[in-house]
Amino acid sequence: AQSVTQLGSHVSVSEGALVLLRCNYSSSVPPYLFWYVQYPNQGLQLLLKYTTGATLVKGINGFEAEFKKSETSFHLTKPTAHMSDAAEYFCAVKGSNYKLTFGKGTLLTVNP
Amino acid sequence: DAGVIQSPRHEVTEMGQEVTLRCKPISGHNSLFWYRQTMMRGLELLIYFNNNVPIDDSGMPEDRFSAKMPNASFSTLKIQPSEPRDSAVYFCASSLEGGAPYNEQFFGPGTRLTVL
Repeated sequence: AQSVTQLGSHVSVSEGALVLLRCNYSSSVPPYLFWYVQYPNQGLQLLLKYTTGATLVKGINGFEAEFKKSETSFHLTKPTAHMSDAAEYFCAVKGSNYKLTFGKGTLLTVNP
Repeated sequence: DAGVIQSPRHEVTEMGQEVTLRCKPISGHNSLFWYRQTMMRGLELLIYFNNNVPIDDSGMPEDRFSAKMPNASFSTLKIQPSEPRDSAVYFCASSLEGGAPYNEQFFGPGTRLTVL
C-alpha cells in the first residue's frame, strides 16, 4: 500500500523568496514519485518525476525535488518564487502497478 | 497532440437528472483513468481502464455511477440519478501503462459538475 502526506495545506511566500513544499511518502516497494501542479480551473500538469538514478530531479519552471530514501521524503523547491507560481501542488507516489496515490495538495500563495 | 479532451467543461443540473461526462484520451495511450476532486476528499480514483477494459472500479461510489470505454478514443462517466453530493470536478487522465511503471498520467482540464 502507498500513501502520501503533504505537510501544510497552505504555504505563503513573498515574491523572490525560496519555495519549499514538503512531501513524505510510504511505499512497500521502491517508489516512483511525482509532483503535479494545478492552476485555477485547469487540470493537473506534471512538474517533475523521480524514477531511478539521480536523486535530485529537475523539472519545469525552475522547480526541483530531492528523493531522500532514508527520510521517505520528496520535497519540492524553487529558489525564487514568482507570482505565476501561485497554484496548488500535488505530490504523488506510484508503486509497481498503475495506481497513482495523491497527497491532499498544498496551495501556494505568492505575495508581491 | 491536443492532449486529453473532456466535455462539457461545466455542467449544472438538478437532482435526479442523468449526467454524462465525456473524455477523449491521448492517441496511443492504452490506459484511462477517471478521478473526482473535492475539497473534502481530494483526488479520488474512480475507475481505471486498460485497453478499453475496466480493471479497477473499486473507487466508483455506488451503483448510480457507471463508466464505459467503447473504443480506444472515447470514454464516458454517467451518473444517474445525480445528487447534490456528486458536485465535484471530474478529471479524465490517460497514460501508456504496461511498459515502464513510471509513465506519467496526462490530465484533461476537468468537468465541473454542480447538482442543485
